[in-house]
Amino acid sequence: QSVLTQPPSVSAAPGQKVTISCSGSSSNIGNNYVSWYQQLPRTAPKLLIYDNNKRPSGIPDRFSGSKSGTSATLGITGLQTGDEADYYCGTWDSGLSAVVFGGGTKLTVL
Amino acid sequence: QLQLQESGPGLVKPSETLSLTCTVSGDSISSSPYYWAWIRQPPGKGLEYIGSLSYSGSTFYNPSLTSRVTISVDTSKNQVSLKLRSVTAADTAVYYCARKGDGSGSQYLYWGQGTLVTVSS
Repeated sequence: QSVLTQPPSVSAAPGQKVTISCSGSSSNIGNNYVSWYQQLPRTAPKLLIYDNNKRPSGIPDRFSGSKSGTSATLGITGLQTGDEADYYCGTWDSGLSAVVFGGGTKLTVL
Repeated sequence: QLQLQESGPGLVKPSETLSLTCTVSGDSISSSPYYWAWIRQPPGKGLEYIGSLSYSGSTFYNPSLTSRVTISVDTSKNQVSLKLRSVTAADTAVYYCARKGDGSGSQYLYWGQGTLVTVSS
């Protein structure tokens, strides 16, 4: 049981937009920055979004992040087959004094 | 370009200690004001934070693992180490080392490729 809650799976057609939610509490998302990771099969996670809505160098602007209260959202526009991957949210939990992750969401591009 | 490479035994017996090393190239650990972390992923499951080490020497551990884990740094070898004691089959996972990026929050920009550790007799 993960501290952060994500939907197990989402799907959309190529070219469409998809959003992935991440729900937490005041001890984590509510008072700390959220990051998002993409994990392609058999590879290490890749940072997509940090500090709620910032993109590291090289990450296309098709990927966006937002936060409201104790929830965060990852948005992906112009879906490509190469976007099929598992996506994880993460943040610091002030009560646990530890980083916590969501359980992951599998994105299928139909 | 910063690179991280995990190394260590791929097979550990139950009740023994899992020891992994993360060798850092492209930057000096001692000159970097960053956090270094170990994160693991059991087969077919999600990411689990093991713990992290700050540039000032502070350590933070997953409460569920804190009694068994130690993360340390060897600046002379530019390495970050992980020791997990009294392992069981539940500790079978791919183990990643990672380094925080420049942002304010807890986020990991740089990752090693990961190393699979199996706990079995």
